[in-house]
Amino acid sequence: DIQMTQSPSSLSASVGDRVTITCRTSQTINNYLNWYQHKPGKAPNLLIYAASELQSGVPSRFSGSGFGTEFTLTISSLRLEDFATYYCQQSYRTVYTFGQGTKLEIK
Amino acid sequence: QVQLVESGGGLVKPGGSLRLSCAASGFDFSDFYMSWIRQTPGKGLEWFSFISTTGSAIYYADSVRGRFIISRDNAKNSLYLQMNSLRAEDTAVYFCARERRTERPYHFDSWGPGTLVTVSS
Repeated sequence: DIQMTQSPSSLSASVGDRVTITCRTSQTINNYLNWYQHKPGKAPNLLIYAASELQSGVPSRFSGSGFGTEFTLTISSLRLEDFATYYCQQSYRTVYTFGQGTKLEIK
Repeated sequence: QVQLVESGGGLVKPGGSLRLSCAASGFDFSDFYMSWIRQTPGKGLEWFSFISTTGSAIYYADSVRGRFIISRDNAKNSLYLQMNSLRAEDTAVYFCARERRTERPYHFDSWGPGTLVTVSS
């Protein structure tokens, strides 16, 4: 299975900050990388697919980049509603795998 | 709007069985692959099964193969998960998710809020 490693595992930031989360994969996956936001007790929400494509309805402060084995999710200016856990996920191989998550907390 | 709602979770003893359901609405259910994904306590997300639009193609991760059975009823807009021989490590919140396959990479564009399964004696 393709291993996914996110960093950092947790992050403290303030409203208005720019934050970047990194996802590295154990083998190349081209751009077959998706990002999700998850809040406790809620349905996870697709933010980015194909490494950099913004899902419909997702605010433009979210952006993604990367190719191969290294990817990033950037939030340009944090809002209160962005404090959540973020996961990357690969769909290059049928056993889809997720990163362990990055918990974004208020500083 | 698209809605997925899981049900059927609860407390079950090791070795026991449980059947989860996922009710879909707001879209043509029969047009989409569907998956089950779980989140174990303190850990992240684990995808473990998908089913094709007609049910002709099914895949399981090793962690559940031989114990769990995924199925669907397109007439009832419903997805199911029969879980047998449950273990403590199956304790998790179980999500159903719609898989978009109109373009690569495949991705999960709608999820339910999840149902909690606790395996404990």
